[in-house]
Amino acid sequence: QQQVKQSPQSLIVQKGGISIINCAYENTAFDYFPWYQQFPGKGPALLIAIRPDVSEKKEGRFTISFNKSAKQFSLHIMDSQPGDSATYFCAASLRGSGGYQKVTFGIGTKLQVIP
Amino acid sequence: KAGVTQTPRYLIKTRGQQVTLSCSPISGHRSVSWYQQTPGQGLQFLFEYFSETQRNKGNFPGRFSGRQFSNSRSEMNVSTLELGDSALYLCASSLFDSNTEAFFGQGTRLTVV
Repeated sequence: QQQVKQSPQSLIVQKGGISIINCAYENTAFDYFPWYQQFPGKGPALLIAIRPDVSEKKEGRFTISFNKSAKQFSLHIMDSQPGDSATYFCAASLRGSGGYQKVTFGIGTKLQVIP
Repeated sequence: KAGVTQTPRYLIKTRGQQVTLSCSPISGHRSVSWYQQTPGQGLQFLFEYFSETQRNKGNFPGRFSGRQFSNSRSEMNVSTLELGDSALYLCASSLFDSNTEAFFGQGTRLTVV
């Protein structure tokens, strides 16, 4: 059962445009929502993260928008650059019965920014 | 500060064989998680170890196992390899758990022929 649904799976954006990746989750117990960026041949790296008590978080050109009632969150990349071309994963985690966090990842979005 | 180190980077194995992958987490990190990454399935959680104890497990068959040593280094083992086990295996370390930032290694690319 896919608990975090991510779309689109691939995205082509012109340089300078806005890249938007969406994720939806089912479990309202999720309490931490990170986004990871992965370049070819590398492991994923944390890009930005948000908690459900905040509706938006911005770091440079990257913004997470969070809609708790709709159980959706999205990543916006403003002024997209060719160097942003990578695979992006959304994730959601919740605290399990043992007190530790369990993370579920989306399927990933391959972003290509063309000049 | 050294990052997460995974060895080997690449492996080619034959169906039916077994394989052991290694992960050295960032110094001081006690939580190590393993993931299988394939194009069609994304990142699938295998298991997590904390202070030498497995405290979380994904939905993988018993052929996939792991352990963590007292120095937090972790190994995962896959027995009786199948063609479908071909994937990138990623290790991530965290200070306490996945609610703190998880740092990923570059992964081990396993090819089963």
